Amino acid sequence: GAGVSQSPSNKVTEKGKDVELRCDPISGHTALYWYRQSLGQGLEFLIYFQGNSAPDKSGLPSDRFSAERTGGSVSTLTIQRTQQEDSAVYLCASSRRGLPGNSYEQYFGPGTRLTVT
Amino acid sequence: KQEVTQIPAALSVPEGENLVLNCSFTDSAIYNLQWFRQDPGKGLTSLLLIQSSQREQTSGRLNASLDKSSGRSTLYIAASQPGDSATYLCAVPSGGSNYKLTFGKGTLLTVNP
Repeated sequence: GAGVSQSPSNKVTEKGKDVELRCDPISGHTALYWYRQSLGQGLEFLIYFQGNSAPDKSGLPSDRFSAERTGGSVSTLTIQRTQQEDSAVYLCASSRRGLPGNSYEQYFGPGTRLTVT
Repeated sequence: KQEVTQIPAALSVPEGENLVLNCSFTDSAIYNLQWFRQDPGKGLTSLLLIQSSQREQTSGRLNASLDKSSGRSTLYIAASQPGDSATYLCAVPSGGSNYKLTFGKGTLLTVNP
């Protein structure tokens, strides 16, 4: 079946502009995650959505970052007033529900490469 | 704070060789450990997930082991092929969660024909 898809694959934006990154999870996966991969920091957790529960936003680096998930499926990560340090690859993943005491494999999309000039 | 370390950072081997990649983590209270591969410019491909109650998992030529008490995991690749060339990452859920992955920096594997 179809995997996790992300769009756009590449995004170049000017410093100070807002950007929106989109993620379509695997059908039937109730959990959705955003991570960021940068040269200096490696892979970092950003935010986690599980069904209708309040998201875990503990990894968002600043209040310029926000994310939403509509209808329990598609998610959008928004970065306002972009800075050069936001340049990175933004990866989305999905999984089946992570039950207490257990967890499921996370399946990753191809990522969006964001370059802030 | 969970820290994940992967050794070696890079490895170059001739085709056909068996090899072992190492991963260590500082907090042994984990739910699972997951191994991924990443090809240049691509996303992550899940290879194996070992639940905390398991000691190993196998998929084809890959075998991953987990020793929670010592904070270690190994990924064994048998009869390596040039197509195995990629960066291999291990990750564990951290911060008391079963979903918030902390990743190692990865091992860059090159298999030479």
